[in-house]
Amino acid sequence: EVQLLESGGGLAQPGGSLRLSCAASGFTFSSWAMNWVRQAPGKGLEWVSVISGSGGSSYYADSVKGRFTISRDNSKNILYLQMNSLRAEDTAVYYCAKSSIFSGFDSLDYWGQGTPVTVSS
Amino acid sequence: DIRMTQSPSSLSASVGDRVTITCRASQSIRKFLNWYQQKPGKAPKLLIYAASSLQSGVPSRFSGSGSGTDFTLTISSLQPEDFATYYCQQSYSTLMYTFGQGTKLEIK
Repeated sequence: EVQLLESGGGLAQPGGSLRLSCAASGFTFSSWAMNWVRQAPGKGLEWVSVISGSGGSSYYADSVKGRFTISRDNSKNILYLQMNSLRAEDTAVYYCAKSSIFSGFDSLDYWGQGTPVTVSS
Repeated sequence: DIRMTQSPSSLSASVGDRVTITCRASQSIRKFLNWYQQKPGKAPKLLIYAASSLQSGVPSRFSGSGSGTDFTLTISSLQPEDFATYYCQQSYSTLMYTFGQGTKLEIK
């Protein structure tokens, strides 16, 4: 059974930092790209970042580019999101999500339960 | 960036109704379109990928169609557990996925 378990969320001050983790199990972690998706309170879903299975490629939404860094440790089956220079608008529940590819079409087939991040002074 | 626009933003319907939600892309995304269901306080769940392929375990009352810029999600006969928020997502631009703003399906 695929399981994704996020941790590391909490309260941070504007300009501060947090590191989120996502522990994966039930699948060959290194074979799949992984994503972070966030949801601000009462709002819709916003894709944040993706990293390839090897960790060699990563991409970011414009809203977090230059401030957030996605990484992974395939020996430990853990995905990370380092969040620096946090802003109030980064307040959200952060989900990790596994990529899936079928016949060349990408989707996000498994999601964690989410970890809340609040940026406030 | 590819923008995704869903309509309607909210919808009231009754158990047993047939419901259709629309998603429009700002440019052609061929069939690179996914649909997700999210219930309050829960993570999203993949329903449909590649515009019309049903994810394993998803009831057959859910179906998707479309290609290019216009897509639909149809629920053939609403069940009580289907009242949720639905999101479309484009995966054509793998450098930047984008979601629609969501459609909240409520009980009439």
